[in-house]
Amino acid sequence: EDQVTQSPEALRLQEGESSSLNCSYTVSGLRGLFWYRQDPGKGPEFLFTLYSAGEEKEKERLKATLTKKESFLHITAPKPEDSATYLCAVQARDGYNKLIFGAGTRLAVHP
Amino acid sequence: EPEVTQTPSHQVTQMGQEVILRCVPISNHLYFYWYRQILGQKVEFLVSFYNNEISEKSEIFDDQFSVERPDGSNFTLKIRSTKLEDSAMYFCASSESTGGQPQHFGDGTRLSIL
Repeated sequence: EDQVTQSPEALRLQEGESSSLNCSYTVSGLRGLFWYRQDPGKGPEFLFTLYSAGEEKEKERLKATLTKKESFLHITAPKPEDSATYLCAVQARDGYNKLIFGAGTRLAVHP
Repeated sequence: EPEVTQTPSHQVTQMGQEVILRCVPISNHLYFYWYRQILGQKVEFLVSFYNNEISEKSEIFDDQFSVERPDGSNFTLKIRSTKLEDSAMYFCASSESTGGQPQHFGDGTRLSIL
């Protein structure tokens, strides 16, 4: 069964303290792995798509990487405005277009 | 930047009543989706829709649920006879194409069943 597990569930950082969020996945054949940011009461906001092992994508303080079994979202020198829940989702080759989400990591960045 | 819009933002309904949740996908997108998120749980896929047909649905999407694209801009989710367990955030999403293209989400409708 296709599955996505994210860790940690919650992460508290001081402003400027870099860290990484993990997304482990099991999927019959990966079509794409997606990172989203979700603010309270809002819908998921698209950040990155990764397609194959070794791929990396960057946007401001965020960098996403992909291996055959997991993805990492690296946050460099975070700011309080980076506080949100970060969701990882996979799309399987045989699953049409549906996204399978992990439970997310709640990130709190304190000044 | 184009965005997916959903109405209403909050819907309160008595158990057993019908509800219709509305979405306006991004205008040049061809694939449309509904997901739901029960409080404190994962975002779950409900249904995908393309070319006026359901292309995939989950086990959650039973006969009580239906989707429709009544015109060129709207995409709706109908729940015929709501249950307490239907209380959740319902998200609409759209994508330009398939094959690993990102899905863009609206801000959701919070459905509360009393």
